[in-house]
Amino acid sequence: DQQVKQNSPSLSVQEGRISILNCDYTNSMFDYFLWYKKYPAEGPTFLISISSIKDKNEDGRFTVFLNKSAKHLSLHIVPSQPGDSAVYFCAASAKTGANNLFFGTGTRLTVIP
Amino acid sequence: NAGVTQTPKFRVLKTGQSMTLLCAQDMNHEYMYWYRQDPGMGLRLIHYSVGEGTTAKGEVPDGYNVSRLKKQNFLLGLESAAPSQTSVYFCASSLQGGIGEQFFGPGTRLTVL
Repeated sequence: DQQVKQNSPSLSVQEGRISILNCDYTNSMFDYFLWYKKYPAEGPTFLISISSIKDKNEDGRFTVFLNKSAKHLSLHIVPSQPGDSAVYFCAASAKTGANNLFFGTGTRLTVIP
Repeated sequence: NAGVTQTPKFRVLKTGQSMTLLCAQDMNHEYMYWYRQDPGMGLRLIHYSVGEGTTAKGEVPDGYNVSRLKKQNFLLGLESAAPSQTSVYFCASSLQGGIGEQFFGPGTRLTVL
């Protein structure tokens, strides 16, 4: 059973506009969330993370929002650039005990020039 | 500083054959992981290691074995390959456990006929 879900397999956005990628989780023990970006034929690379004690974390053009009551997080990219075109994975973990990440199925973002 | 490297990049096996995938990291990380990525499934953890000489099962360990004889290397073995093991395999390493950023290798594409 998928504990981390990304319900949109793909998203297309015009260059310069905002990209919003969504992620939902079911396990209430998760308290740390990450976004990874993956280009074809490469491994995923870390993008941004957020702890459950925060509801927002910002790094340049990338902002992650966390809504614990809804078990939902989102990644905002503003402004979107063609180089942002990639597959984005949401991942979650629990600080206590676990040593692994649970990944969503990914959303393919295409930024149209 | 090569980061995380994986050998080989591609491999085709016949059902019942065996093989070993090698992962190496030069970042002195304690934690290492093996994932598989299948279409529509995201990344799923096969096995992981929290230090030299240790291994533990992840989400989908059946049909695989691992060894961590040296801190920098993590080997994934398939004793008797099956078509269901056709996948892209990613190795990752991290300094910390579940909440730490994981660094991924470029992946190994394995096809079992």
